Amino acid sequence: EVQLVQSGAEVKKPGESLKISCKGSGYSFANYWIGWVRQMPGKGLEWMGIIYPGDSDTRYSPSFQGQVTISADKSISTAYLQWSSLKASDTAMYYCAKYSGTYSDYWGQGTLVTVSS
Amino acid sequence: QSALTQPASVSGSPGQSITISCTGTSSDVGGYNYVSWYQQYPGKAPKLMIYEVSNRPSGVSNRFSGSKSGNTASLTISGLQAEDEADYYCSSYTSSSRYVFGTGTKVTVL
Repeated sequence: EVQLVQSGAEVKKPGESLKISCKGSGYSFANYWIGWVRQMPGKGLEWMGIIYPGDSDTRYSPSFQGQVTISADKSISTAYLQWSSLKASDTAMYYCAKYSGTYSDYWGQGTLVTVSS
Repeated sequence: QSALTQPASVSGSPGQSITISCTGTSSDVGGYNYVSWYQQYPGKAPKLMIYEVSNRPSGVSNRFSGSKSGNTASLTISGLQAEDEADYYCSSYTSSSRYVFGTGTKVTVL
């Protein structure tokens, strides 16, 4: 069974750093793109970027380029999304999703990130 | 990359059919047959409903169908049921080898 299990909710202060994770199982993690999606409170889905764990090829949405870093460790079947300096506007639910070709067939349960002073 | 345009809300009575549009450009929706649709209930992760314009994953009801004409893709829900009340998002591959979501549509079953 394919599963994507994300790390737990985080509460951080502005300016702090953060790295959240997405662990895949039940499939060949290195051979499928993993994407990250932001959903701010009460808002729609926003595509952030995507990584191919096999060679770490990464592509960012222009809206998120330079704001976050996407990485992956294929040896432990885990993808990451990280911030070096959080802002209150980063408060959102973040989902990871496995891509099968050009669509997301499996999604993680989401990680809620709250940034507040 | 601008979000694809969807109507904010669509409603229908049980048993009726509704259609949700998703309008992009020739650089995304119009340029590729790589449009997918996702259903999302409040507080839950999105679920794939349609991929590559008109293909249904195993387990998705055949009441859901997809199509595309030019720069606009559409999701049709026939025989509307109370359980279809949710948010729906389209997504498309783009010419910059990235993806973009639609603005989202809230479906209400009257």
